[in-house]
Amino acid sequence: AQSVTQLDSQVPVFEEAPVELRCNYSSSVSVYLFWYVQYPNQGLQLLLKYLSGSTLVKGINGFEAEFNKSQTSFHLRKPSVHISDTAEYFCAVSGTGAGSYQLTFGKGTKLSVIP
Amino acid sequence: DADVTQTPRNRITKTGKRIMLECSQTKGHDRMYWYRQDPGLGLRLIYYSFDVKDINKGEISDGYSVSRQAQAKFSLSLESAIPNQTALYFCATSDSRDRASYEQYFGPGTRLTVT
Repeated sequence: AQSVTQLDSQVPVFEEAPVELRCNYSSSVSVYLFWYVQYPNQGLQLLLKYLSGSTLVKGINGFEAEFNKSQTSFHLRKPSVHISDTAEYFCAVSGTGAGSYQLTFGKGTKLSVIP
Repeated sequence: DADVTQTPRNRITKTGKRIMLECSQTKGHDRMYWYRQDPGLGLRLIYYSFDVKDINKGEISDGYSVSRQAQAKFSLSLESAIPNQTALYFCATSDSRDRASYEQYFGPGTRLTVT
């Protein structure tokens, strides 16, 4: 079984400032890691994912995340945020086995970009 | 047109009523999921289906049932709605053949209020 901890429930940040949203996971098996974004009144959209290979993953809208196996972390970063980045962000984990199906989500981090 | 659609988008119902939420997809995916989202709790899996004849309980299935009428349709029923089932419900799909992605694709959500 896996679990995900998003360390901050709300993150306010000024426009054009950098931001980091933190995610730690727990698992007894190898994992795949995901960040999803939910804009107001919308469904979830995949931002980026780590499956294998380079530990630095780039996603849409200028976001990137780094997989750190030793620290069991997958923090999301953006060097300069825009108003349009205001949304809720979810970190999620799944196992890597052929039968793996279940995404386990964190509780979410609400990013508020202040003009 | 959206690949994953949910109906209704909003529903208010009374305690004790039976209600059905419907999900349809045009992505041709074999796997479908139902989640509920509660503020501060993230998304939790209710049921998932690997194909029409394979339906499984998720983390929080009590009080819910599902029906997979076709590969493209997956319905969630609340047999006797109660106020703590007030939540945002999401349907999602994935393709078991897509071993390179493991991405789940989400519908826009159904906001259910039980009074």
